[in-house]
Amino acid sequence: DIQMTQSPSTLSASVGDRVTITCRVSQSISSSLAWYQQKTGKAPKLLIYKVSTLESGVPSRFSGSGSGTEFTLTISSLQPDDFATYYCQQFATFGPGTKVEIK
Amino acid sequence: EVLLVESGGGLVQPGGSLRLSCGASGFRFSEYWMSWVRQAPGMGPEWVAHIKTDGSYKNYVDSVKGRFTVSRDNAKNALYLQMDSLRAEDTALYYCAREVIGGTTDLDFWGQGTLVTVSS
Repeated sequence: DIQMTQSPSTLSASVGDRVTITCRVSQSISSSLAWYQQKTGKAPKLLIYKVSTLESGVPSRFSGSGSGTEFTLTISSLQPDDFATYYCQQFATFGPGTKVEIK
Repeated sequence: EVLLVESGGGLVQPGGSLRLSCGASGFRFSEYWMSWVRQAPGMGPEWVAHIKTDGSYKNYVDSVKGRFTVSRDNAKNALYLQMDSLRAEDTALYYCAREVIGGTTDLDFWGQGTLVTVSS
């Protein structure tokens, strides 16, 4: 089975900060990776798919990159609406999540 | 506006069955692969199953193979998940979701979820 890890598990940051979340996959089986944002009581929201394709309507401060077994989600300038939990996903497997908190 | 509305959740005893439904509107349902994803309380999401546009291909996470069956009725714009031999570990909020690219499980629209609780 594929294992996915995310780092950090929790991130404390301030509005305006550049934030990077890393997702590592135990084995490279696909070039596809997606990122989601989830707020409490809401369904996950797709931000990025196919590693770096920005979903329609998602602000351009979000970007994705990577290949092989290591991928990153970057928020170029953290906004108040961005405090949430972020998950990476490769096909059937989701990562454990990274909670972005207010510093 | 794309809308997905799940129903059918509830409290069921271990070993019991439930059938979840998902009604779709605002898009050409027959042109999209659809997925079911679940999320246990306090946990991350877990992809459960998906189905091709015409129902000819289905795939499941190993933990539900042989117990869950995904199906769809394109004439009714509806997606279903038949869940049999339910276990305590199946307790979760179940979402239906649309795949942005068929077969990839990248999910661009989600419903609000329906809660399934398996307990005696």
